[in-house]
Amino acid sequence: GAGVSQTPSNKVTEKGKYVELRCDPISGHTALYWYRQSLGQGPEFLIYFQGTGAADDSGLPNDRFFAVRPEGSVSTLKIQRTERGDSAVYLCASSLTSGLGETQYFGPGTRLLVL
Amino acid sequence: QQQVKQSPQSLIVQKGGISIINCAYENTAFDYFPWYQQFPGKGPALLIAIRPDVSEKKEGRFTISFNKSAKQFSLHIMDSQPGDSATYFCAASTGSNYKLTFGKGTLLTVNP
Repeated sequence: GAGVSQTPSNKVTEKGKYVELRCDPISGHTALYWYRQSLGQGPEFLIYFQGTGAADDSGLPNDRFFAVRPEGSVSTLKIQRTERGDSAVYLCASSLTSGLGETQYFGPGTRLLVL
Repeated sequence: QQQVKQSPQSLIVQKGGISIINCAYENTAFDYFPWYQQFPGKGPALLIAIRPDVSEKKEGRFTISFNKSAKQFSLHIMDSQPGDSATYFCAASTGSNYKLTFGKGTLLTVNP
């Protein structure tokens, strides 16, 4: 079946602009995660949704970052007043449940470049 | 504070050889340890995972060895193939918080 999809695949924006990154999880997966991967680094956790609610947003770096999942499926990561340091690959993952050991399936990521 | 330390940063192996990647963790609450494989331009994909109640898990050419007392775990790739060339990440999570904490990755190159 279809995996996790993310759009756009690439996004170039200017410093100070607002961007939205979209994630379509695997159908039926209740848990959804956002990670950020800087060049040469491992993914870093941003936020985790169980259903519609953000169960853990401890990884969001500051209040310029916000994410929603209004119907418990698609999620949008929103970044206000983008900075050059926000440039990274933003990865979305989903899992069937949030149980320990549940496999997190990752999408291909959105490559964000802030000029 | 880096909670999962991974080494080496890069590794070159000849075809047919054994690739070994090591990770060490600090948080004793971690109880799930997956390894992910990532090809350029793709998202990470789960390769194999282990819980701390076993010391070894094998799936095909891939084996995880786990040492709870040393807080270390490693990935062994037997009979390495050029198609295994990728970046490998170890990770860890706890039962109460399912977010994954990743190592910095190891770039594996398998020469033909």
